[in-house]
Amino acid sequence: GAGVSQSPSNKVTEKGKDVELRCDPISGHTALYWYRQSLGQGLEFLIYFQGNSAPDKSGLPSDRFSAERTGGSVSTLTIQRTQQEDSAVYLCASSRENTEAFFGQGTRLTVV
Amino acid sequence: SQQGEEDPQALSIQEGENATMNCSYKTSINNLQWYRQNSGRGLVHLILIRSNEREKHSGRLRVTLDTSKKSSSLLITASRAADTASYFCATPRNSGNTPLVFGKGTRLSVIA
Repeated sequence: GAGVSQSPSNKVTEKGKDVELRCDPISGHTALYWYRQSLGQGLEFLIYFQGNSAPDKSGLPSDRFSAERTGGSVSTLTIQRTQQEDSAVYLCASSRENTEAFFGQGTRLTVV
Repeated sequence: SQQGEEDPQALSIQEGENATMNCSYKTSINNLQWYRQNSGRGLVHLILIRSNEREKHSGRLRVTLDTSKKSSSLLITASRAADTASYFCATPRNSGNTPLVFGKGTRLSVIA
């Protein structure tokens, strides 16, 4: 595709349910990032994939959060047993090594 | 963990004036990037400046980098109402292939 694609664009879920957020990076980009942004705040780093290296998971806020990247391409961020404080916009980005990152439009998650 | 910090947090100017935003960071970097965000969704890359560069231009944008002070500035000249957005600086968290870490951003309002 021409850019980074995220789905769904909006997700409303009940507290306690699991959700999966998907990111399709730009073809050929070796790096993939997940960030979370609460209203009016900066970007909170969650997880980083770079090529075949072990992912940097140091930003994941709890063990309810996990992510995988299959075949070095599509990535899925999973949040188990969602809580209201998980409500935010989840942004995915991809890049070539040490260059600018291209962002998707994000998934707005609302936990009710 | 926070790497870059933008200053000021908010800036309001009249159309035609110049806008200057600053970013300070903590660790050694190989590059620093500026991004723009409209409406709380995807970020758009504006400019990347490498650690061996001191100044870079792109259209009405001018970025400076002072590695001795660990700071950068973004200047938007002859601002337009359409420049209203949040602006973020981003740096690799550590040297090498590490994730980009963003500051909290500067909210720029350009009044027509």
